[in-house]
Amino acid sequence: QQKVQQSPESLSVPEGGMASLNCTSSDHNFQYFWWYRQHSGEGPKALMSIFSDGDKKEGRFTAHLNKASLHVSLHIRDSQPSDSALYFCAASLSGSFNKLTFGAGTRLAVCP
Amino acid sequence: DAGVTQTPRHEVAEKGQTIILKCEPVSGHNDLFWYRQTKIQGLELLSYFRSKSLMEDGGAFKDRFKAEMLNSSFSTLKIQPTEPKDSAVYLCASSLGGNNYAEQFFGPGTRLTVL
Repeated sequence: QQKVQQSPESLSVPEGGMASLNCTSSDHNFQYFWWYRQHSGEGPKALMSIFSDGDKKEGRFTAHLNKASLHVSLHIRDSQPSDSALYFCAASLSGSFNKLTFGAGTRLAVCP
Repeated sequence: DAGVTQTPRHEVAEKGQTIILKCEPVSGHNDLFWYRQTKIQGLELLSYFRSKSLMEDGGAFKDRFKAEMLNSSFSTLKIQPTEPKDSAVYLCASSLGGNNYAEQFFGPGTRLTVL
């Protein structure tokens, strides 16, 4: 069983709509969380990190972390067709020398 | 500033061949990672170097996969011998390191097809 689980597997939202992606972990030793985005034919690129409980906002993107429940979410406001991509949640352990464990990903399609 | 460079972008090999994939990390980065990406397994860590020292070799991938970092600006991943199940995208990433949460920068990947 993967230690970082993402839901849903795929998501379709209309242009201008809100996309919500979820991530949960089964390992309470995970301390640091990232969201990465991968467009077709490219490598993943970091969107944002979140290390403390609560919300973190960067432009149209808001991440939320609840360490007690090991739940991380990403909300994309005013979704654009260019947001269509594969989104990964990734987590690292304290003392793991920067090694990331990735979830399986959520494929987001934003329809014009 | 140049990002992570990977060559070739595409590789086709016959079963049993030896292939070598190349990666140039971001200048000044201390950590280098090799991943394999498939639709079924997702992103799997193959190797992890810190300051050219091998920190993790990906356990299940030891047999036919060998990553090397000959200097701080160049790494190779050798697959010998190749099998059809090795068909995947191979990604290289680098990071400044220094803590447990430094951003990883990925290259565009090499798409390997083994016939």
